[in-house]
Amino acid sequence: QQQVKQSPQSLIVQKGGISIINCAYENTAFDYFPWYQQFPGKGPALLIAIRPDVSEKKEGRFTISFNKSAKQFSLHIMDSQPGDSATYFCAASGNQFYFGTGTSLTVIP
Amino acid sequence: DTGVSQNPRHKITKRGQNVTFRCDPISEHNRLYWYRQTLGQGPEFLTYFQNEAQLEKSRLLSDRFSAERPKGSFSTLEIQRTEQGDSAMYLCASSQTNYGYTFGSGTRLTVV
Repeated sequence: QQQVKQSPQSLIVQKGGISIINCAYENTAFDYFPWYQQFPGKGPALLIAIRPDVSEKKEGRFTISFNKSAKQFSLHIMDSQPGDSATYFCAASGNQFYFGTGTSLTVIP
Repeated sequence: DTGVSQNPRHKITKRGQNVTFRCDPISEHNRLYWYRQTLGQGPEFLTYFQNEAQLEKSRLLSDRFSAERPKGSFSTLEIQRTEQGDSAMYLCASSQTNYGYTFGSGTRLTVV
């Protein structure tokens, strides 16, 4: 049973555009929602995270939008750059992290 | 020590052999996690230690898998009688709380 569902599976965006990745969860006990960025051959690196008492969190070009009632959250990457090309994973935390299946982002120069 | 260190980075083994991986967490982190990641998938939880105590194990962790964390410092993950289905990236992460994991770069296992 997939605890966290992530879409799209892949995304191609022009340089300077906005990348949007969506996630949905079922377990209302989850209390922490991080996004991880992973480059080939590397482990995932924490990008940004949010708790359910906040509807939005922004760090630089990265924003998480959180909709508690819909049990959905999304990552927005503003002014996308070729260096942002990577795989992005959302996650939800209870006693352990449950990860989405990942989104492969390609930013075209 | 600024990160989580995993060794080896790559391991190729023949089916049926035993393999052992090592993880050195960030020194002040008392929580240590093992995850497995297959191609095109997100990391899947295997097991979790708080200090030297193994507090949770996934059903993915068959009896061929064993993990230890002696003295609450480094951890080892052993796979006995490896199978081709064990081929994956094995990730270790550590944290001080239930949040904000720091992952290592992983050990890529290939079973031939």
